[in-house]
Amino acid sequence: EVQLVESGGGLVQAGGSLRLSCAASGFTFSDYYMDWVRQAPGTGLEWVGRTRNKANGYTTEYAASVKGRFTISRDDSKNSVCLQMNSLKTEDTAVYFCTRSFGYSTYYYTDYWGQGALVTVSS
Amino acid sequence: DIQLTQSPSFLSASVGDRVTITCRASQDISSYLAWYQQKPGKAPKPLIYAASNLQSGVPSRFSGSGSGTEFTLTISSLQPEDFATYYCQHLNSYPLTFGGGTKVEIK
Repeated sequence: EVQLVESGGGLVQAGGSLRLSCAASGFTFSDYYMDWVRQAPGTGLEWVGRTRNKANGYTTEYAASVKGRFTISRDDSKNSVCLQMNSLKTEDTAVYFCTRSFGYSTYYYTDYWGQGALVTVSS
Repeated sequence: DIQLTQSPSFLSASVGDRVTITCRASQDISSYLAWYQQKPGKAPKPLIYAASNLQSGVPSRFSGSGSGTEFTLTISSLQPEDFATYYCQHLNSYPLTFGGGTKVEIK
């Protein structure tokens, strides 16, 4: 059974840092792209960023709103992906979801989501 | 960046109704579109990938169609468990973006 479990959420002051982790199980982790998606309270979904799989060089992509502040990394030996968040702003307050994406016709589509981790940034 | 516009943003329907949600892209995204269902307090559930392919385990009353800039998600006969918010997402280029959502409520 595929499982994605986020951890590391919590309350942090603006300007601070936080690191989210996502523990994956039930599949061959190195085959998949992994994304982070967030949802601010009462609003819609926002894609945060992606790490590609081993076959595609573990390269990353980010939304403009987090580029230069957030970093996605993965450790295939531990079946985990992390989101390092620096210089946090109040507008980064959201539930952060870890997701798995599979390849189909050279594009990667999400098929599993974690339960989410709440990050609250106070002023 | 590619913008996705969903319509309507809110929909009131009855059990058994046929429901159609539209997602329009600001530029051609071929068939690189996905649909999700989200219930309050829960993670989104993937429904459709590549515009028209049903994710594993998704009931056949859900279907997706379209290509280019206009896409639709159709629920052929609305069931009580289908009342939720639905989102589209494009995968054509970075950044990947989501539509604003369509909330389907009970009439």
